[in-house]
Amino acid sequence: EIVLTQSPGTLSLSPGDRATLSCRASQSVSSNYLAWYQQKPGQAPRLLIYNAFSRATGIPDRFSGSGSGTDFTLTVSRLEPEDSAVYYCQQYHRSPRTFGQGTKVEIK
Amino acid sequence: EVQLVESGGGLVQPGGSLRLSCAASGFTLISNWMTWVRQPPGKGLEWLANIKHDGSEINYVDSVKGRFTISRDNAKNSLYLQMSSLRAEDTAVYFCARGDGWHHNWGQGTLVTVSS
Repeated sequence: EIVLTQSPGTLSLSPGDRATLSCRASQSVSSNYLAWYQQKPGQAPRLLIYNAFSRATGIPDRFSGSGSGTDFTLTVSRLEPEDSAVYYCQQYHRSPRTFGQGTKVEIK
Repeated sequence: EVQLVESGGGLVQPGGSLRLSCAASGFTLISNWMTWVRQPPGKGLEWLANIKHDGSEINYVDSVKGRFTISRDNAKNSLYLQMSSLRAEDTAVYFCARGDGWHHNWGQGTLVTVSS
């Protein structure tokens, strides 16, 4: 199975800062079949990005995805207090689909 | 409006069985792959299984293969997860999600606790 490793584990930033979250795959994720989700406590995950860089409906343009092959990045250009959450990447290139272990973003 | 509502969670003893349901509304289930994902308390997401539109293709993660069975009833717009030989490590919130690949729609989750 494809193992996704996210870094850092926790990111502590201030409002207005830029957040850069990494997701590294143990093997190439072809066709950029990678998604990013945001999850807040007690809620279901919310889709942010699919196919590595396509923004989901209703997602602000300060969220962007990039990367290819084994290295992918989620960037939040200007953090807002409501961006405090855990962010997960997921690959759907091969079965079983897999998630990264998550990056927690804290807003100071 | 698309809605997914899970039910059937609860407390079960180790070795026991439980059947989860996911009721879909706002879209036609038969047009979609469907997926189950779980999340142990305080931990990350784990993909469990998915099923093709007509049930002709099913995939499982190794940790539940042979113990869990995903199924669907398109006429009832419902998805199911039959869980048996449950272990303490199966304790989690179980989510159903629309689609294979990325998931734009998720249920709110149902909590399964495996404990004596």
